[in-house]
Amino acid sequence: GESVGLHLPTLSVQEGDNSIINCAYSNSASDYFIWYKQESGKGPQFIIDIRSNMDKRQGQRVTVLLNKTVKHLSLQIAATQPGDSAVYFCAENVMRNSGGYQKVTFGTGTKLQVIP
Amino acid sequence: DSGVTQTPKHLITATGQRVTLRCSPRSGDLSVYWYQQSLDQGLQFLIQYYNGEERAKGNILERFSAQQFPDLHSELNLSSLELGDSALYFCASSVGVSGGYTFGSGTRLTVV
Repeated sequence: GESVGLHLPTLSVQEGDNSIINCAYSNSASDYFIWYKQESGKGPQFIIDIRSNMDKRQGQRVTVLLNKTVKHLSLQIAATQPGDSAVYFCAENVMRNSGGYQKVTFGTGTKLQVIP
Repeated sequence: DSGVTQTPKHLITATGQRVTLRCSPRSGDLSVYWYQQSLDQGLQFLIQYYNGEERAKGNILERFSAQQFPDLHSELNLSSLELGDSALYFCASSVGVSGGYTFGSGTRLTVV
């Protein structure tokens, strides 16, 4: 498959353990945050989102935590599986009131390697 | 299959040439976004269209242009290609002008 990025930070996790992927965002006006998963040779896939009026949201095996004080976002994956191996991107989203366009900025990504 | 269709999947062309990348959004989605992903720069937002109108512009070069047609499909035109334009080009769509995107599988452009 194709390599998404050669210089990405890498997190190696034993199968069955929990994974925590961190992301620092830059804009205090960001009001919507999304985590994407990108497997080799594929486009980014939506995992979970959270709005700025929340600090935690849970999905199936995934939890996103938002700390607006320090502008930090994290993605927790429970019981990590080999199929979780991918690059994970956080995205911050600033909504504009007039005309309603959104400005989405993606982080550089973290590569998750699951060790069987 | 995400529902967002991009063609072609791979494209190899020479410097100075012009190419057109095509995107069909997911059924019911009115917004289309174009992103460039290169090895050293991650996902870079290029441009957004909503229901045929340009809504937002990112780091899109003047050599690049895009449009969204009445049937909502979109085309990204890249001209006077340079070696540095080699990258993955992704299209994404969403229902409105906000919210999570659905990405296509991308077009791999190689400029030689």
